[in-house]
Amino acid sequence: NAGVTQTPKFQVLKTGQSMTLQCAQDMNHEYMSWYRQDPGMGLRLIHYSVGAGITDQGEVPNGYNVSRSTTEDFPLRLLSAAPSQTSVYFCASSARMGGAEQYFGPGTRLTVT
Amino acid sequence: DQQVKQNSPSLSVQEGRISILNCDYTNSMFDYFLWYKKYPAEGPTFLISISSIKDKNEDGRFTVFLNKSAKHLSLHIVPSQPGDSAVYFCAAPLRNSGNTPLVFGKGTRLSVIA
Repeated sequence: NAGVTQTPKFQVLKTGQSMTLQCAQDMNHEYMSWYRQDPGMGLRLIHYSVGAGITDQGEVPNGYNVSRSTTEDFPLRLLSAAPSQTSVYFCASSARMGGAEQYFGPGTRLTVT
Repeated sequence: DQQVKQNSPSLSVQEGRISILNCDYTNSMFDYFLWYKKYPAEGPTFLISISSIKDKNEDGRFTVFLNKSAKHLSLHIVPSQPGDSAVYFCAAPLRNSGNTPLVFGKGTRLSVIA
């Protein structure tokens, strides 16, 4: 049982490049989410999904796209990277929403130059 | 506007003493709260939670207290150990019903000095 896995661990992009951050979970959790962590800002919600085919925006969705075609996977896409997207990105999953314990992946550290 | 606030960015405590981490919230409809712990280069991990029907929940060295009238909760760690040095996040469900994600505070960095 690997839990929540994220790839890559580190990534450097140039402004304007696109990329996809991968997230997968093997716990059959319905709920998955993406957060970014910036110094002094805590964890801010980007997008979340309550099940396959259903996604919604969080607090800071601009510049990011998501899709949920399977229960296991929840990729985060940056279509045109900007320096403001330099951050550490965490994916999380839980069996239900509304306060259930969330399980976090190890994070992806992204630098946009 | 932040709905969950952790106003102390850092806290330093001697080993063996009590650590008290504070969290305030603005939404009186919040009915469940969680604390997460995060080590450097790792994802956050769940530590302890409390429902609004309780005013205290204890798990080993960790106790969370909830004061609903003051919209305040605190995490007590007794005794503090060097391995407790981490960033602690307070969190609450964004809405009171239905499918809702968590909203997190900005975190408090705890340093336990041996």
